[in-house]
Amino acid sequence: AQSVTQLDSHVSVSEGTPVLLRCNYSSSYSPSLFWYVQHPNKGLQLLLKYTSAATLVKGINGFEAEFKKSETSFHLTKPSAHMSDAAEYFCVVSDWLSTDKLIFGTGTRLQVFP
Amino acid sequence: KAGVTQTPRYLIKTRGQQVTLSCSPISGHRSVSWYQQTPGQGLQFLFEYFSETQRNKGNFPGRFSGRQFSNSRSEMNVSTLELGDSALYLCASSPGGGTGELFFGEGSRLTVL
Repeated sequence: AQSVTQLDSHVSVSEGTPVLLRCNYSSSYSPSLFWYVQHPNKGLQLLLKYTSAATLVKGINGFEAEFKKSETSFHLTKPSAHMSDAAEYFCVVSDWLSTDKLIFGTGTRLQVFP
Repeated sequence: KAGVTQTPRYLIKTRGQQVTLSCSPISGHRSVSWYQQTPGQGLQFLFEYFSETQRNKGNFPGRFSGRQFSNSRSEMNVSTLELGDSALYLCASSPGGGTGELFFGEGSRLTVL
């Protein structure tokens, strides 16, 4: 069965410094992986997705993630944090039987200090 | 293009009652999924409908049910409410092609007293 593990429940950074949110996945098949973001009292928004076309995936708002099969990782990065990046981030894998059925990680809350 | 609309946004019920939540997907989207979000269990898949047929179901008791209408609008129902059903219920729509790219509404926050 597919699953994802987000290694940090909270990450705090200063504005202008790099962001690293860590995610490991488990899948018997070549996975489809995603990062979604949830701002307070809002729904979820897709940041980026990996579907085997390229290992380095660029998303919205300057975020990117690299798929590393040898490490079973899909970490999310951003070179320079902005105050508006403060939110909850979810690493997600799709079910191998139905790619519209998503399996969410437990989330990482990103705090950005001025 | 209008986004995914969920109603009501907030509601309070008492144990034993039932509740119906509504979701209007993005125009043209044929797939609607429902997720439950709680602090303890996180985000969990409830079910997915595509062209009025339930295509997938999560591990929830039979008290949780849903349906989809011919215009792709969807409703979910929870009967005999329990305190543990207090949650944010999120609806998501997609064209249905299995891309995994879902568009979420802002959710319906249910409080069970």
